[in-house]
Amino acid sequence: EVQLVESGGGLVQPGRSLKLSCAASGFTFSNYYMAWVRQAPKKGLEWVATISTSGSRTYYPDSVKGRFTISRDNAKSSLYLQMNSLKSEDTATYYCARHEYYGYKAFDYWGQGVMVTVSS
Amino acid sequence: AIVLNQSPSSIIASQGEKVTITCRASSSISSNYLHWYQQKPGAFPKLVIYSTSYRASGVPSRFSGSGSGTSYSFTISRVEAEDVATYYCQQGSSNPYTFGAGTKLELK
Repeated sequence: EVQLVESGGGLVQPGRSLKLSCAASGFTFSNYYMAWVRQAPKKGLEWVATISTSGSRTYYPDSVKGRFTISRDNAKSSLYLQMNSLKSEDTATYYCARHEYYGYKAFDYWGQGVMVTVSS
Repeated sequence: AIVLNQSPSSIIASQGEKVTITCRASSSISSNYLHWYQQKPGAFPKLVIYSTSYRASGVPSRFSGSGSGTSYSFTISRVEAEDVATYYCQQGSSNPYTFGAGTKLELK
């Protein structure tokens, strides 16, 4: 059974940094692209970042490019999101998701999410 | 960026009723890259339909999808109580990978 478990969320002040982690199990982690998708309170879904199987390629929307960095450790089956220069609009639940990239680019499995609140 | 316009934004339906949600893209996308997710209250999203019309593993046959080009639809043939959720379309055709704003399904 595919499992994705996020951690590292919490309350952080504007301008500060936070690093999220996602522990994966139930599949061969190194064979899959992975992603982060967020959801602001009472709002819709927003794709945040994707990383290739080896970690050599990363993709971001303009809203987080230059501030967020996605990375992975295939030996630990773990995914990370380093978030710098945080803004109030980054307040959201952050989901780790498996990104089916070779075929149709859907997010086929999701974690339960971790809350990040950016506030002074 | 490809914008996905979902309609309606909310639906109130009776059990057993057929409901259809529409997703219109701001530019044409291959049907391979249009997907639908279900997010039940307080839960994480779940992929239900991928590549326009293929049901994900374990998804009941009452869920279906169709469409091409810029116009796609998602249908529940006979709504059940457990289908109460918000449904989102998503395109994987081009970066940034965007979602529709969602359609909230409630029961009468």
